[in-house]
Amino acid sequence: GQSLEQPSEVTAVEGAIVQINCTYQTSGFYGLSWYQQHDGGAPTFLSYNALDGLEETGRFSSFLSRSDSYGYLLLQELQMKDSASYFCAVRASSGTYKYIFGTGTRLKVLA
Amino acid sequence: DAGVIQSPRHEVTEMGQEVTLRCKPISGHDYLFWYRQTMMRGLELLIYFNNNVPIDDSGMPEDRFSAKMPNASFSTLKIQPSEPRDSAVYFCASSLGGAGVQPQHFGDGTRLSIL
Repeated sequence: GQSLEQPSEVTAVEGAIVQINCTYQTSGFYGLSWYQQHDGGAPTFLSYNALDGLEETGRFSSFLSRSDSYGYLLLQELQMKDSASYFCAVRASSGTYKYIFGTGTRLKVLA
Repeated sequence: DAGVIQSPRHEVTEMGQEVTLRCKPISGHDYLFWYRQTMMRGLELLIYFNNNVPIDDSGMPEDRFSAKMPNASFSTLKIQPSEPRDSAVYFCASSLGGAGVQPQHFGDGTRLSIL
């Protein structure tokens, strides 16, 4: 089967740095995306990696290692508004637009 | 610019009734996706369309579910007859096509409760 695993919950304090990991097992790989979802809201796109390495977008960065089938989302200078669930998603091949989503990580930011 | 628009936002109905969820994708987007989100199963892709044509419906749980996209600006997801286990949040999303990873833009969802 195909699966993406993430920690269920992470807690950190305001101003800190937190890393949310994602390990995937899929039949193919064509890119890893990250989405943020606040309680009661819709998922919103944060970033993606198609190649190995680090992609930086403001306070958020995303990393990918294809050889390890692993990626992470790094959130710096945490703010209360970052409290949300974060999902990784894999597009399994260039021949499909089907995305498989991870189980989600609930991030709690404490004052 | 308008985002993905879903209706209704909330739906409460009794088991056995027909439920129709509606979605208007972002203009110019040629891919449309229907997802279901529950605590137990997370975010699951039900079906996606490209240029109004269903491409992959392998996630549709059973024959009670059907989806259509009669034109580029409208899609429906229908459940008939509905069952309590269909209770979930249903999201519609749209995206552009092309190489690489294209961001999916999600609607606000329909919160469906089947009594």
